[in-house]
Amino acid sequence: SAVISQKPSRDICQRGTSLTIQCQVDSQVTMMFWYRQQPGQSLTLIATANQGSEATYESGFVIDKFPISRPNLTFSTLTVSNMSPEDSSIYLCSVGLAGYNEQFFGPGTRLTVL
Amino acid sequence: AQKITQTQPGMFVQEKEAVTLDCTYDTSDPSYGLFWYKQPSSGEMIFLIYQGSYDQQNATEGRYSLNFQKARKSANLVISASQLGDSAMYFCAMREGGSARQLTFGSGTQLTVLP
Repeated sequence: SAVISQKPSRDICQRGTSLTIQCQVDSQVTMMFWYRQQPGQSLTLIATANQGSEATYESGFVIDKFPISRPNLTFSTLTVSNMSPEDSSIYLCSVGLAGYNEQFFGPGTRLTVL
Repeated sequence: AQKITQTQPGMFVQEKEAVTLDCTYDTSDPSYGLFWYKQPSSGEMIFLIYQGSYDQQNATEGRYSLNFQKARKSANLVISASQLGDSAMYFCAMREGGSARQLTFGSGTQLTVLP
């Protein structure tokens, strides 16, 4: 299976600032997925991070707001830029592993923007 | 169009009773997987059960079973012998294609188990 860690686990930030969330996986994976879960809502895919290429963003999400890095096969970062209270959410990274049906999730980063 | 539909925003069940959480899906991909996750108030996503589109039998994992009706495009989760610890949000999700693809989630069902 895959064990995923995320840092920070939670943060409280001021509007207009940026926060970088780290995701570390204990296995090498091709794709890493970043999801956002706004309060009381379901999970929405922000982007797919593929090592060695630009991330692919879903409709409604742009690179300037959510830049992603993927320097190697076990690590990725998501930055939430120029934050507003509407960015208050849980951010989760996720991976799939060949041979496993389960999609693995990190513990999430709970972000509050004041 | 919604790919995953969960029509029950909230459900109540008596402890030790069984409960069914509904999920319907929409895809034209012949290869897909259906998932159920549990999310307690802590926010972690707990994987419960998986059903592949080509699986002939319904998936079961302990007290969890998936009632897969392919023609109706439904994948309902059945929890038997409910426990107080089962109170949580439950999400149905679908993945089209292989394990390197993303999940699409339904809106979720908040389950409350009553003592």
